[in-house]
Formats: sequence, C-alpha cells, structure tokens
Amino acid sequence: EAQVTQNPRYLITVTGKKLTVTCSQNMNHEYMSWYRQDPGLGLRQIYYSMNVEVTDKGDVPEGYKVSRKEKRNFPLILESPSPNQTSLYFCASRKQGSNTEAFFGQGTRLTVV
Amino acid sequence: KQEVTQIPAALSVPEGENLVLNCSFTDSAIYNLQWFRQDPGKGLTSLLLIQSSQREQTSGRLNASLDKSSGRSTLYIAASQPGDSATYLCAVLYGGSQGNLIFGKGTKLSVKP
Repeated sequence: EAQVTQNPRYLITVTGKKLTVTCSQNMNHEYMSWYRQDPGLGLRQIYYSMNVEVTDKGDVPEGYKVSRKEKRNFPLILESPSPNQTSLYFCASRKQGSNTEAFFGQGTRLTVV
Repeated sequence: KQEVTQIPAALSVPEGENLVLNCSFTDSAIYNLQWFRQDPGKGLTSLLLIQSSQREQTSGRLNASLDKSSGRSTLYIAASQPGDSATYLCAVLYGGSQGNLIFGKGTKLSVKP
C-alpha cells in the first residue's frame, strides 16, 4: 500500500530535550516536506526537500532541522524544543512535477512542556 | 502574497442535502489544486486533484471544479451523509512555489442524521 508513515504519532517532551520525528514514504517520490498545523493558522510549510541531499526552508523553519540522506526518509529534528513548537506535524510526499498529487502522513501530535 | 481562502468556516446540513464548499485563491498562475479531507486529530486524505488545464474532476459523490480566471474552486458533495462530517481543506500549488502547497483554513462540515 502506498503510504507516508510518521513516527511517533503522539509525543510529550520537555523544553530543550532534542527529539526527532521520522517520516518514510514507499512511493519513490522525489519531493518531501514537513508542515505544522495550528488552530487559526492552518497548515504551514516548515522545510522541504526536492531530492536526496537537497533541502530548503519553508515558511516557518526556525527551530527545526531536516536531513535527506535517503530518498524514502525525511526526518524532522528539533534540537531544543520550546512550548511554541507544540503543534500537529505532517509529513508529505509527491512525485516531482507540477501536476502530481501530494500524500500526507497521519500526523504527529507534539506537546512541549 | 499568495493566499487561499475557504468560506464558510463551518457548515451544518441535514443528511441527504447536496452542498457546495468554496475555495478562492489570489494568483491564477497555479499548477494544480487539491481537495483534502481531515477527520479530527487525523491526517489528510486526498479527495481530488485538479490540474491547471482541467475544469473539473469527479470521484463518486464528489465533484470539484476549477476556474482559474476567477480564482475559484468548488467542491460539490451530493446526497450528503453523516460520514461526510469532517474538515475539508483546499490546497493550491502555485507556479514557482518550489512545491509549497498553500492551504486554506478549511471548512468544517457537519451532516446531521
């Protein structure tokens, strides 16, 4: 089954404790990205990657890092999480090209206390 | 600034009604437009993708239209059912956006039995 898989689904952590949210896709898609969803603000892009070893900032990259060492994986790293990073996070992937469908993971609910 | 607006923010209808959800965008230079469904606390499920060269797409009881010149898309749901209750999100892939989908804030639909 074609899918985007995120882990963990739920995470509660403390301020400053480094964490990684994993994302994996099995569709051989070139393009992957991370979004966060907040009430009243909708979905906003954090980082994206157009292929292996090619990453760039989205609209809200502060406090986040990413890497793309393999085509299927695109982890999101929070080096020093803060409470304002409490949010619902989504990973997405799609095939390179202007008319391709985006697929989203099930989301990761992160709470930073 | 490229924006996507969805009106209304919430909609409640009795079961069996046909309904229309609206999405408007500020720039006609789009690659495609995608409609998603989101259930509470869950991920995004892709419903329909309309490419910039298309006027509409259909899937079962759903029909999405696209009018680039007026900057509008509609999602028509026929014979609504309680299981259609969810938030519906419209997302636009703009030309030159490096793959960043711009999302509307969604329409929360409630279908009453």
